[in-house]
Amino acid sequence: DTAVSQTPKYLVTQMGNDKSIKCEQNLGHDTMYWYKQDSKKFLKIMFSYNNKELIINETVPNRFSPKSPDKAHLNLHINSLELGDSAVYFCASSQLTSDETQYFGPGTRLLVL
Amino acid sequence: AQSVTQLGSHVSVSEGALVLLRCNYSSSVPPYLFWYVQYPNQGLQLLLKYTTGATLVKGINGFEAEFKKSETSFHLTKPSAHMSDAAEYFCAVRPNQAGTALIFGKGTTLSVSS
Repeated sequence: DTAVSQTPKYLVTQMGNDKSIKCEQNLGHDTMYWYKQDSKKFLKIMFSYNNKELIINETVPNRFSPKSPDKAHLNLHINSLELGDSAVYFCASSQLTSDETQYFGPGTRLLVL
Repeated sequence: AQSVTQLGSHVSVSEGALVLLRCNYSSSVPPYLFWYVQYPNQGLQLLLKYTTGATLVKGINGFEAEFKKSETSFHLTKPSAHMSDAAEYFCAVRPNQAGTALIFGKGTTLSVSS
């Protein structure tokens, strides 16, 4: 019973391709996040959705497009992949309260060749 | 803007020794504070958090942290290290406002030797 799951776990692709990463949470939370962890292990927020509405949209290339079909799912589509997109992408979820705790998925390791 | 500084990108201890991982934050208003652990090729697991109330917070696996407002610190400690504690540790802050993102420190790699 994985609380926050991501698919795929590993993704190896060529520059210029388009790829999607999927995230699902079964915690009943109403808020989901995408974080990026770079090669130096630094974690930074990319996007956040609350009840399918975008609430955080950090400065990321518009090649990255999140989509939330319902509050249990948050997908990340990346167009025209570049070498610099290689990273680990983490999905997280929480319940929108002031002292919310964010629970993380296992990550998707993306390698762009 | 809020920020987090983790002093020491790499800490090495012997098994059974005290673990001390340092975290300082910068914020005009005390934020909510978190420690997460990341084992190799895995996601982030919450160790403990401080929101309000008692400033000494106990977490999982024998870890604890103390919020010191005067020092803007939230250092993580464990009295006796185990080999299984070897991992990456991240301190994070978040404004005490719903729907805001975590701001992470750069992480500290903990190595435990026998």
